[in-house]
Amino acid sequence: DVKVTQSSRYLVKRTGEKVFLECVQDMDHENMFWYRQDPGLGLRLIYFSYDVKMKEKGDIPEGYSVSREKKERFSLILESASTNQTSMYLCASTLGGLSYEQYFGPGTRLTVT
Amino acid sequence: LAKTTQPISMDSYEGQEVNITCSHNNIATNDYITWYQQFPSQGPRFIIQGYKTKVTNEVASLFIPADRKSSTLSLPRVSLSDTAVYYCLGAKYKLSFGAGTTVTVRA
Repeated sequence: DVKVTQSSRYLVKRTGEKVFLECVQDMDHENMFWYRQDPGLGLRLIYFSYDVKMKEKGDIPEGYSVSREKKERFSLILESASTNQTSMYLCASTLGGLSYEQYFGPGTRLTVT
Repeated sequence: LAKTTQPISMDSYEGQEVNITCSHNNIATNDYITWYQQFPSQGPRFIIQGYKTKVTNEVASLFIPADRKSSTLSLPRVSLSDTAVYYCLGAKYKLSFGAGTTVTVRA
């Protein structure tokens, strides 16, 4: 079974802090994604990565950056957390090629106070 | 990238068949259609993907007409545990999920 793990289920940070959200997948997947989910807005794509050190912006990259130094790990960074970044953050990975199936982690509920 | 449109919510009763239709008018020629299911406090789970005609697996069926501008996810004989949000995607990835369709199954 593919497993996508996220470093924390719940996280509380203060405004202005630098926040790191970590995601690890164990199936040698090429592509990894970060989404945020807010009520009524679905899952919005923040960034995705199709290879080590490669990244592309999604629909809402402002205020976020990412890092992918190893194939299995994709990190989301909030440079200076703000209250409007309070949300559920979901990481996903997919093999690539003809496979469209994304495997999601359990999510991190981030609260910025 | 194909933007999708689907109903916000649907209600059903146990044992009924639920059909959710998604519109994806500008889907690319080589893109598949995928559907996901999400329960509260969990990440979405892949259900099914298809290119055209009909695809069936142990969970659902997916019907795609020849023009591929829409697709219908069919959940046979739903149970209370099928209450969830269902998302369709009209592209491989690089795309946000819409708000999805909240399906509520009642006893």
